[in-house]
Amino acid sequence: GAVVSQHPSRVICKSGTSVKIECRSLDFQATTMFWYRQFPKQSLMLMATSNEGSKATYEQGVEKDKFLINHASLTLSTLTVTSAHPEDSSFYICSALLTGQPQHFGDGTRLSIL
Amino acid sequence: QKEVEQNSGPLSVPEGAIASLNCTYSDRGSQSFFWYRQYSGKSPELIMSIYSNGDKEDGRFTAQLNKASQYVSLLIRDSQPSDSATYLCAVNRAAGNKLTFGGGTRVLVKP
Repeated sequence: GAVVSQHPSRVICKSGTSVKIECRSLDFQATTMFWYRQFPKQSLMLMATSNEGSKATYEQGVEKDKFLINHASLTLSTLTVTSAHPEDSSFYICSALLTGQPQHFGDGTRLSIL
Repeated sequence: QKEVEQNSGPLSVPEGAIASLNCTYSDRGSQSFFWYRQYSGKSPELIMSIYSNGDKEDGRFTAQLNKASQYVSLLIRDSQPSDSATYLCAVNRAAGNKLTFGGGTRVLVKP
């Protein structure tokens, strides 16, 4: 089946650091990938839609200059949390879309900002 | 009104019993409906997808969809302790492929 790999699985870093998270579709090409954020005991909230070869589409309330998304190839999207602060600590999950199928989720990245 | 609503639970069921989870959605144009299971600290995994009114069965899981009532449910038969998790209802918006998730229902299956 379709596999989505997300890396790293866990990041702990100091406030002010920028953190890059990678999302790869391993056995299929994904023109569209999605980035979600999940705070403790809450559901997944869509942050942005990543489109290969074009700018990402951000959901209302998500700062595009803080959460930089690059979808440079059909198998890779990256999310960079710039100048991360403790309130950015969360579980970040990507998914990839294969036409005609439900979204396939990566294993998630737990980000902790000290 | 939230776009996708679920009872947060916890829903406590004895082992071997049927767990019944409900979900309502507000967008009448929604076309696709999904149930995901999420264990603590893990990402969601797809359990069921359903696209047309009626029932869809897969092993111990049955999804039911009623578009007129804007309601989708999930039944888990012969519940096992390993079914203890949070179950997320997700709805595909009419436009595009974005998913909107409900808040999730926590299920506890007691041996």
